[in-house]
Amino acid sequence: DTAVSQTPKYLVTQMGNDKSIKCEQNLGHDTMYWYKQDSKKFLKIMFSYNNKELIINETVPNRFSPKSPDKAHLNLHINSLELGDSAVYFCASSRGLAGGFSYNEQFFGPGTRLTVL
Amino acid sequence: GENVEQHPSTLSVQEGDSAVIKCTYSDSASNYFPWYKQELGKRPQLIIDIRSNVGEKKDQRIAVTLNKTAKHFSLHITETQPEDSAVYFCAALYQTGANNLFFGTGTRLTVIP
Repeated sequence: DTAVSQTPKYLVTQMGNDKSIKCEQNLGHDTMYWYKQDSKKFLKIMFSYNNKELIINETVPNRFSPKSPDKAHLNLHINSLELGDSAVYFCASSRGLAGGFSYNEQFFGPGTRLTVL
Repeated sequence: GENVEQHPSTLSVQEGDSAVIKCTYSDSASNYFPWYKQELGKRPQLIIDIRSNVGEKKDQRIAVTLNKTAKHFSLHITETQPEDSAVYFCAALYQTGANNLFFGTGTRLTVIP
């Protein structure tokens, strides 16, 4: 009955490698997001997708490429990993973009802890 | 975009006392203000939210107030319990074609038994 799930939970890799994180939501939501939480716990929006379309890229390097094969999935691919990419990455979803306040609540996945060595 | 500031960064209270966390936001167009609780190693979870057309909202021991004119909002936890210990984040929804939440920097609340 998991609402928003992510895999893997932990990811340890070397600098320069390419890796992907997967996210799935079974809430029937239209909008999905990626957030980055750094070592100081700052939680920052990276991308927003609505109905598989990119809505917002919040000044994220183009080494990060999100892909949404369908409304229920938003994957994050990272090329040429750098030490500074080490963080916890959270996927989230919400009902939609418009239609009133009931659409605003965001549900978070469990997070993926990425460690770049 | 939106800029959200949150204070204090750490807060310790005795069990049973009240805790107050304050946030300010920069863009008057923001209209939705959720509060998330994040326990160690867990995901952020919504505990309460407030819309811009409401000044105050309460849910048991938790209340949130919003002052649109001053662009600040606060979380109040009464009768704190050890299980309230966590990091709390405020956020503001900035709608520019996307429901992007901009988070404050977090407050680590410790409730001392």
